Amino acid sequence: GESVGLHLPTLSVQEGDNSIINCAYSNSASDYFIWYKQESGKGPQFIIDIRSNMDKRQGQRVTVLLNKTVKHLSLQIAATQPGDSAVYFCAECPSGAGSYQLTFGKGTKLSVIP
Amino acid sequence: GAGVSQSPSNKVTEKGKDVELRCDPISGHTALYWYRQSLGQGLEFLIYFQGNSAPDKSGLPSDRFSAERTGGSVSTLTIQRTQQEDSAVYLCASSPFYEQYFGPGTRLTVT
Repeated sequence: GESVGLHLPTLSVQEGDNSIINCAYSNSASDYFIWYKQESGKGPQFIIDIRSNMDKRQGQRVTVLLNKTVKHLSLQIAATQPGDSAVYFCAECPSGAGSYQLTFGKGTKLSVIP
Repeated sequence: GAGVSQSPSNKVTEKGKDVELRCDPISGHTALYWYRQSLGQGLEFLIYFQGNSAPDKSGLPSDRFSAERTGGSVSTLTIQRTQQEDSAVYLCASSPFYEQYFGPGTRLTVT
């Protein structure tokens, strides 16, 4: 079946460097995507979203890129800080699904080295 | 403003006992979701409530699991005759549209 997955389960980054977290999706009908951040012991927290009519969206220190041709989503974190250490999930919402249910990827753990 | 709250934050129960987990969504959010997350794993969808529509129960792993949402607000997830494999963090989320707002979760340990 179609699913959302991640290329890298773990990522270690030096403090101050940029981080790139990748996500592959296979449902071509998905038209809305979200990145969530989950810190240890907490629920996932919204970071940034993007609709399929866009290929890039920027937030504060974060940028999401969407490549619909290869069904690829990425989250870029600029000047990574220790507080960015967490598990990051991508999620997709297929259009026409009759609801706004999200399908979550397995997550990537980001570890920031001080 | 108040976010999604869940209670209890931690629950330890003996195998075979029933447990009830509670979720208080954000006021006005029409959709409510339950997920299960095992240690170091992703989110496993359990059940979805949308307004007054019949809930989507397609993710419930067995008939020991059930959930209800009273008055379109508070929801309870009930697990009957708990098994050790039920041990996990149970997350609740509410949503006004696409974006889901998560609670802190209930960590369930079945001994």
